[in-house]
Amino acid sequence: GQSLEQPSEVTAVEGAIVQINCTYQTSGFYGLSWYQQHDGGAPTFLSYNALDGLEETGRFSSFLSRSDSYGYLLLQELQMKDSASYFCAVRDDGGSYIPTFGRGTSLIVHP
Amino acid sequence: DGGITQSPKYLFRKEGQNVTLSCEQNLNHDAMYWYRQDPGQGLRLIYYSQIVNDFQKGDIAEGYSVSREKKESFPLTVTSAQKNPTAFYLCASTGTENTEAFFGQGTRLTVV
Repeated sequence: GQSLEQPSEVTAVEGAIVQINCTYQTSGFYGLSWYQQHDGGAPTFLSYNALDGLEETGRFSSFLSRSDSYGYLLLQELQMKDSASYFCAVRDDGGSYIPTFGRGTSLIVHP
Repeated sequence: DGGITQSPKYLFRKEGQNVTLSCEQNLNHDAMYWYRQDPGQGLRLIYYSQIVNDFQKGDIAEGYSVSREKKESFPLTVTSAQKNPTAFYLCASTGTENTEAFFGQGTRLTVV
């Protein structure tokens, strides 16, 4: 089985940088994904890390350390529209991708 | 545009009734999933299907049933055996790369 831990809530101000951490426990690991979900909406894919290191996509970056079973999502130049829930997810260790999600982190961006 | 369509967006069910939530995709994905989302609990897997005519129980399958007669369609039935069905239901699919899940817009089910 798998388990993922992430903070329940993070607050920050516009223009700031925020980091959302995720630690995971799996019997087999194939990659860590991040999703964004606005209230009442569908989760949308942000990034995927299969190897150690940092992946950058515009204002968002995602980091993975396989040896530490740890990853994070970094959001820079925060905007009000970034207020949302952010989920980390791992692939099932059975070899097929059955996404298992953390409980999500609610990011609140203040003016 | 390719994507996943869930219907209806809002659904109200009386006690003791079965209801079916629709999920259709035109992404040509083999794998499809149903998740339930409750406040503060993230997404919990109900059922999944990796190929037509085959499906498997997820973590919280009790009180639910599914079918996968066509690649494009994966309907979920919430039966009267589900004691607390009020929740937000999300359907998703993944393609052969298996690195990204695509979601429908969800169905909010309320028991009245």
